[in-house]
Amino acid sequence: DAEITQSPRHKITETGRQVTLACHQTWNHNNMFWYRQDLGHGLRLIHYSYGVQDTNKGEVSDGYSVSRSNTEDLPLTLESAASSQTSVYFCASSWDLNTEAFFGQGTRLTVV
Amino acid sequence: GQSLEQPSEVTAVEGAIVQINCTYQTSGFYGLSWYQQHDGGAPTFLSYNALDGLEETGRFSSFLSRSDSYGYLLLQELQMKDSASYFCAVRSAEAARQLTFGSGTQLTVLP
Repeated sequence: DAEITQSPRHKITETGRQVTLACHQTWNHNNMFWYRQDLGHGLRLIHYSYGVQDTNKGEVSDGYSVSRSNTEDLPLTLESAASSQTSVYFCASSWDLNTEAFFGQGTRLTVV
Repeated sequence: GQSLEQPSEVTAVEGAIVQINCTYQTSGFYGLSWYQQHDGGAPTFLSYNALDGLEETGRFSSFLSRSDSYGYLLLQELQMKDSASYFCAVRSAEAARQLTFGSGTQLTVLP
């Protein structure tokens, strides 16, 4: 069955370190997204991509970057982790913008 | 700027009907979505309304009034498994057609 998977599910890292969170989907969706979820804020968009070599900044993109070298993967990189980036990160994908988005199981990141 | 408002908590008993409201402010509105999220889980899609009116999918229905910038999610015949957080999300030109989520409503279903 097609799916979207994130790894790792949990990570603890130190302030200042570079961290990369992986997202892989097997639906062949062109659209992929990264969100963070914090108490009281719902889901906030970090970056999104409409296809290979396309990336766009979302609402809370500072301190994050993404790259899209193939259809299946959209890794999220924290260039220099900060305590404010402690959060749960969700990756999602969709066929088009008017259809449902499928979410991964999330990565809980703690920056100490 | 955009804003969405939904109640933070709702409590109801098994078998009852509950309505979760969502009001929004945005420009270039395309549609309103609803997602369900159980504790520790991934958000899952429930519905999408682009036009005014009621959309029904089993026990769940979603309503949209574009003129009032208002929508709601109606859950009927509540079951314990419906205890979860429910998020409304708008898609708008103001956000480059991306989803902007509300802060979520925690629904607790009591036996």
